[in-house]
Amino acid sequence: DTGVSQNPRHKITKRGQNVTFRCDPISEHNRLYWYRQTLGQGPEFLTYFQNEAQLEKSRLLSDRFSAERPKGSFSTLEIQRTEQGDSAMYLCASSLWRAPTNEKLFFGSGTQLSVL
Amino acid sequence: AQSVTQLGSHVSVSEGALVLLRCNYSSSVPPYLFWYVQYPNQGLQLLLKYTSAATLVKGINGFEAEFKKSETSFHLTKPSAHMSDAAEYFCAVSDPNTGNQFYFGTGTSLTVIP
Repeated sequence: DTGVSQNPRHKITKRGQNVTFRCDPISEHNRLYWYRQTLGQGPEFLTYFQNEAQLEKSRLLSDRFSAERPKGSFSTLEIQRTEQGDSAMYLCASSLWRAPTNEKLFFGSGTQLSVL
Repeated sequence: AQSVTQLGSHVSVSEGALVLLRCNYSSSVPPYLFWYVQYPNQGLQLLLKYTSAATLVKGINGFEAEFKKSETSFHLTKPSAHMSDAAEYFCAVSDPNTGNQFYFGTGTSLTVIP
């Protein structure tokens, strides 16, 4: 168990550029979540996958955001035409979900995005 | 819908003193409740969880929390603070029927004074 891995740790980009983040979950985990965290706030849900299926996406999430988990393993989060308001820590978490409960999330260390 | 409210964005205690971090929840169904801790430059780690078994839950590093339905609370306590407890603490709630989302509070920053 190597934990949840996120790359890169830091990303600085100019407004209008596209960025992509990667998350490698714990290998046997079937659920993968993306959260966003800004200073002084708790993690805010963005989207989650069960295996390769994206089951839910936050209504707050702009169309500029897209996430994939093509083989049910790693996931990518892409932000197109970045804006300064996108600056935040992007967190990935995974869990082993067995009906009916989802008892525990394991978090990565996050990708800190700064949009200049 | 589920949500949690953490009272007090900053708490300071002296080393050796009682730690009390407050969390109140709102849920339309009996919830699952969690406390996570985030140390500087690290990911969130689970401290403890309540999943409808015992109402007093013991976690790692000497922390515990008590689920009180009548007060809709899930406060986190530790009898004696240690310098290494300085971190950000987040309360979270999930719906056990769907387990789809974990809703986090805004966090409480704990400072331990030597």
